[in-house]
Amino acid sequence: GAGVSQSPSNKVTEKGKDVELRCDPISGHTALYWYRQRLGQGLEFLIYFQGNSAPDKSGLPSDRFSAERTGESVSTLTIQRTQQEDSAVYLCASSPITGPPGEQYFGPGTRLTVT
Amino acid sequence: GQQVMQIPQYQHVQEGEDFTTYCNSSTTLSNIQWYKQRPGGHPVFLIQLVKSGEVKKQKRLTFQFGEAKKNSSLHITATQTTDVGTYFCAGVSGYALNFGKGTSLLVTP
Repeated sequence: GAGVSQSPSNKVTEKGKDVELRCDPISGHTALYWYRQRLGQGLEFLIYFQGNSAPDKSGLPSDRFSAERTGESVSTLTIQRTQQEDSAVYLCASSPITGPPGEQYFGPGTRLTVT
Repeated sequence: GQQVMQIPQYQHVQEGEDFTTYCNSSTTLSNIQWYKQRPGGHPVFLIQLVKSGEVKKQKRLTFQFGEAKKNSSLHITATQTTDVGTYFCAGVSGYALNFGKGTSLLVTP
């Protein structure tokens, strides 16, 4: 079946602009995660959705970052007033297991470049 | 908070040599997961270890979880060029996975 998809695959934006990143999880997966991966680094947890609620937003780095999810479907990550340090690959993952994380299925990511 | 450290950061081997990456946590882990990320790709789940002292094998890959559940290792026997990539361990912390910075493996034929 289809895996996790993300769009756009690449986004170049000017400093100060807002961006919206989209994630389509695997159908039926209740759990959805957003991560950030800076060049050559590990993955930083941003937020966890269980259905359309977010029990854990502890990884969002500032109030410029927000995310929402429609039911058990699409999620969008919004970054307002982008800064150069926001440049990274943003990865979305979904899982059929809620609560403490089980196996996660990652999308291909959105590479964000802030100029 | 929980920190997961991985060593080495990089490893360059000749094809056929063995490879090991180590993962250490500052706190006891309920379980640990391992992922592989090919260059330009996204992380792909390899395995989850739950029990103290657990050892699991997948063909040439051997995964171990320490007795104290604070460390883990991944050993690859007789590396192949298809093993190239970055191997991440990740510890569970509440709803989140805390990823190590990964070990990048380069295999030359």
